[in-house]
Amino acid sequence: AAGVIQSPRHLIKEKRETATLKCYPIPRHDTVYWYQQGPGQDPQFLISFYEKMQSDKGSIPDRFSAQQFSDYHSELNMSSLELGDSALYFCASSSQGARLNEQYFGPGTRLTVT
Amino acid sequence: DAKTTQPNSMESNEEEPVHLPCNHSTISGTDYIHWYRQLPSQGPEYVIHGLTSNVNNRMASLAIAEDRKSSTLILHRATLRDAAVYYCILRVYNNAGNMLTFGGGTRLMVKP
Repeated sequence: AAGVIQSPRHLIKEKRETATLKCYPIPRHDTVYWYQQGPGQDPQFLISFYEKMQSDKGSIPDRFSAQQFSDYHSELNMSSLELGDSALYFCASSSQGARLNEQYFGPGTRLTVT
Repeated sequence: DAKTTQPNSMESNEEEPVHLPCNHSTISGTDYIHWYRQLPSQGPEYVIHGLTSNVNNRMASLAIAEDRKSSTLILHRATLRDAAVYYCILRVYNNAGNMLTFGGGTRLMVKP
C-alpha cells in the first residue's frame, strides 16, 4: 500500500538559510499534518491543512509557513533557519472519510542546521 | 484539555505479554482513547483506539476501565520489533482534522 512520502529525507542548511520540505499524502487523503521532533523530544504539532485550507495551527514559528496544493501535497517553508530548528520533521496524512481520522506518518525529513 | 499519565519506561521479555497503563482521570465523554507508537528512527504509527468497550486488532488489545479513567494497551506476545515509545492520546471525534498531542509516552524495552 502507498504510504506518505517526504522529501528530502535529509537536509543540511546553514544558519539564516531557507529550506523547503515536501510531503505527498496517501492517495485520497485530504488532510495533512506537520510535526517537529527535536532530539530526545516528543513530536510537536506545527500546522495542518484540510482541503487546501489551514485547519489547525500549533507551535509553528512565524519564520515558517506551509500550504497544501491542489493535488493535496504540502510544503513546509522555513526561513532564517536557526540552530534550534535542527530536528526531524514528520508529515502525516488522514482522510476525513475515515471515521476517526487515523493519521499515517511519513518517514520524516531530518534537518540539520549548522 | 484532558491529560494522560504513563510510566516513563517499562521492560518486557520477548514472547511475554506486556501491559502498558495509561491514566486519564479527567477524560470527557467525547474523548476517544488512541494509542500510537514510535519505533526508533521512524515516524509514529497508529496502534489502536477505543471509546468505552475493549477493542482488539491484529496489533494489540485495548482494555478500558469501566469509569474510563484509565486504560491498558496489551501486547499479547512482545517481540523485539515492539521496542518503541508508546503514546496514549485522547482525541475528540469531529469532522475537522485535529492534531495529535504527544507527551509523556512509555518507552518499552524488550529483552531477548
